[in-house]
Amino acid sequence: DGGITQSPKYLFRKEGQNVTLSCEQNLNHDAMYWYRQDPGQGLRLIYYSQIVNDFQKGDIAEGYSVSREKKESFPLTVTSAQKNPTAFYLCASSWTSGRSSYNEQFFGPGTRLTVL
Amino acid sequence: GQQLNQSPQSMFIQEGEDVSMNCTSSSIFNTWLWYKQDPGEGPVLLIALYKAGELTSNGRLTAQFGITRKDSFLNISASIPSDVGIYFCAGLKNSGGSNYKLTFGKGTLLTVNP
Repeated sequence: DGGITQSPKYLFRKEGQNVTLSCEQNLNHDAMYWYRQDPGQGLRLIYYSQIVNDFQKGDIAEGYSVSREKKESFPLTVTSAQKNPTAFYLCASSWTSGRSSYNEQFFGPGTRLTVL
Repeated sequence: GQQLNQSPQSMFIQEGEDVSMNCTSSSIFNTWLWYKQDPGEGPVLLIALYKAGELTSNGRLTAQFGITRKDSFLNISASIPSDVGIYFCAGLKNSGGSNYKLTFGKGTLLTVNP
């Protein structure tokens, strides 16, 4: 079964602790993305990576870090510097191509992070 | 930054009714996408639109790519209870080379009363 997996589904952490969210895809997609979703809001881009060992900041990268050591994996670390980390985090992946029709993003099931 | 204005924010309808929602922008997009998100889950791609004026159907869903490339609408016919969820529009725009950025609307919350 091809798809995107995120783990865990629910995560609780104490304030001041770093936490790492997992995202794995077996779709052989080149690009991977992390979004944050807050109630009543659209999705906001945190970081994205179009190729292994390279990644770029999105619109709200402060307080987050990522790595892309393998094509299929793109973990997100929520650091203690992130002032309001409680949110629903979504990972996505896509092909990369000069044609927009190959850049559709497909999403994982999400991780709900609650910082106490 | 770019913004997509999605309306309405929420809709309460009776089972069997038709639904229409739309997105507008001041920017031109290469592709319009419509996603549905069930509570606590990730968005699922419903329809993708690639050309201005394109009209595409997926079962009871129909979506159109506006002729100006700045808007799109989604219609759902004969709604059923499992249509409940949040519907997002998203515009895909080339940001240089093979880089494409996806911008999301804030979503339309659909409630269907049986």
